[in-house]
Amino acid sequence: KAGVTQTPRYLIKTRGQQVTLSCSPISGHRSVSWYQQTPGQGLQFLFEYFSETQRNKGNFPGRFSGRQFSNSRSEMNVSTLELGDSALYLCASRVGEDQPQHFGDGTRLSIL
Amino acid sequence: GENVEQHPSTLSVQEGDSAVIKCTYSDSASNYFPWYKQELGKRPQLIIDIRSNVGEKKDQRIAVTLNKTAKHFSLHITETQPEDSAVYFCAARTPNSGAGSYQLTFGKGTKLSVIP
Repeated sequence: KAGVTQTPRYLIKTRGQQVTLSCSPISGHRSVSWYQQTPGQGLQFLFEYFSETQRNKGNFPGRFSGRQFSNSRSEMNVSTLELGDSALYLCASRVGEDQPQHFGDGTRLSIL
Repeated sequence: GENVEQHPSTLSVQEGDSAVIKCTYSDSASNYFPWYKQELGKRPQLIIDIRSNVGEKKDQRIAVTLNKTAKHFSLHITETQPEDSAVYFCAARTPNSGAGSYQLTFGKGTKLSVIP
């Protein structure tokens, strides 16, 4: 069974631009969560989607948004990029409420 | 919200020795505690987890203990090997009241170096 797939793996943007990241969960997994990983802050929760609905949201500004499609694939969008948005963005999926999360390889976003 | 503290931030041990990483959490409603290992440039991988109705769980050289009263849990790695070198993250899963879902809060990680 294929794992969680994130595209692209690397992205370079400049301040003020916007970016869209994609995540395809493991087949059969309906929950997708997004995390931002930085050296100083560790793994910080962005949001979780389940059956196309956002169920949880972390403490990030409204520039960070996401959505989930009927096939459970999810996208995350960041608008008006800032230098501090440079990070590894990780997606994780799980099959049910009481099951562990499985991570993708992440998208490394660099802001110049 | 939940707050997870993880110590130490770095840990160096000689090959063959044991390593212990400790985490504390703040929300007594948290009921599931996974541990992830992240090697350099790779995805976090689940290595062991424990639920709140269990005090200890072991899987070969890895064990996790949970003290619900004190709100802390620990990862124990015995007979460490160089391939155990990585960053280890603990996490606590907390029910999200009213939304029928859970949120996972991570510690800031422990960089473990096993010296051959």
